[in-house]
Amino acid sequence: DTAVSQTPKYLVTQMGNDKSIKCEQNLGHDTMYWYKQDSKKFLKIMFSYNNKELIINETVPNRFSPKSPDKAHLNLHINSLELGDSAVYFCASSLSGFQFFGPGTRLTVL
Amino acid sequence: SQKIEQNSEALNIQEGKTATLTCNYTNYSPAYLQWYRQDPGRGPVFLLLIRENEKEKRKERLKVTFDTTLKQSLFHITASQPADSATYLCALDLLKTGANNLFFGTGTRLTVIP
Repeated sequence: DTAVSQTPKYLVTQMGNDKSIKCEQNLGHDTMYWYKQDSKKFLKIMFSYNNKELIINETVPNRFSPKSPDKAHLNLHINSLELGDSAVYFCASSLSGFQFFGPGTRLTVL
Repeated sequence: SQKIEQNSEALNIQEGKTATLTCNYTNYSPAYLQWYRQDPGRGPVFLLLIRENEKEKRKERLKVTFDTTLKQSLFHITASQPADSATYLCALDLLKTGANNLFFGTGTRLTVIP
């Protein structure tokens, strides 16, 4: 069984479009995260949700909006996509201490 | 400014030798330091966590040390194997309210040569 899953795995879209990435975890964890990994492989935290409440927003443009319908899901919606948004986006979850990461969504903005 | 630097972008070693990876940080006060492995096209996988009051942690062929005075962690893989080839990431955990707030280093790509 997949612990942290993301859909889609690949997303190719035009500049200016709006898109969403979905994440689900079946580990029963309280906290979920979104990370962005750029072309240089640098992994940076974007958001964290604990029991459906946003607790971290690390200077991410407000075009990015996380939504958590329940403790097991954390979706990422991106408005007005820009070329610089091209990256791999990882979802993760944790109970205490270390994190479990999803397989990533490669977003390409043309 | 805050920085997390891993000693080299790439490291090649012979099979059977010990690989030593370095993580240095400035202007952080982490509660924990973690190491992850990332294979191409996959998400990071947790390996080891060491707390600020611990000096050393071991797990099978892996060993991590943490020196909060030097602001440095060393990650060792003994008796290295080609299957250990991957990118290794260190991450500082600042343990902010209700979350494990991880800040990652730039990674070291390890290649173990048979």
